[in-house]
Amino acid sequence: GAVVSQHPSWVICKSGTSVKIECRSLDFQATTMFWYRQFPKQSLMLMATSNEGSKATYEQGVEKDKFLINHASLTLSTLTVTSAHPEDSSFYICSATGLAGGPTYEQYFGPGTRLTVT
Amino acid sequence: QKEVEQNSGPLSVPEGAIASLNCTYSDRGSQSFFWYRQYSGKSPELIMSIYSNGDKEDGRFTAQLNKASQYVSLLIRDSQPSDSATYLCAVNVGFGNEKLTFGTGTRLTIIP
Repeated sequence: GAVVSQHPSWVICKSGTSVKIECRSLDFQATTMFWYRQFPKQSLMLMATSNEGSKATYEQGVEKDKFLINHASLTLSTLTVTSAHPEDSSFYICSATGLAGGPTYEQYFGPGTRLTVT
Repeated sequence: QKEVEQNSGPLSVPEGAIASLNCTYSDRGSQSFFWYRQYSGKSPELIMSIYSNGDKEDGRFTAQLNKASQYVSLLIRDSQPSDSATYLCAVNVGFGNEKLTFGTGTRLTIIP
């Protein structure tokens, strides 16, 4: 149980275009989803927290107009990187939490999406 | 002061020995504690959660929590080369769906 999927697993796009990444909880209702970014050999960096049906809460320094997050249902959240630039190239990982068969909110990660902007 | 601190390593342990990973946290009100394993190029995988003082065992893994000392550890018995990864300690101030605070991770290498 507690499986989170992401799509696509990797994407290459040209500078200036937009890319959408999907995050799905497959076997539980994710009341909250989180989006992280990780650069090579660095720690996870939380970008934003989203609750189903609410606007996302962005961490300090993360541009909300550039990284659009939609958490439209209890099983799906999307991250859209708008007007991508090479410096946005990174490993984007979502995680989901909810009552995954237990009383506590353990956080489960998707497999990640590797974005390369050329 | 970092909120969650881990020794970055690398920590090298012979195959078959016990690997001991440590983590301290600064928020005394923290309630939930997690250990994640992250292989290079992959996303983190939850391996242990612990919520009350004492030990919690799951197979070869044992998590230990001491809230008075604000300390949580992970022991890996009978270490295998497949245990070589970065181990992330994560802390949640509540039991709910608040965000986790992660340590920077300890890189563990099991030497065959």
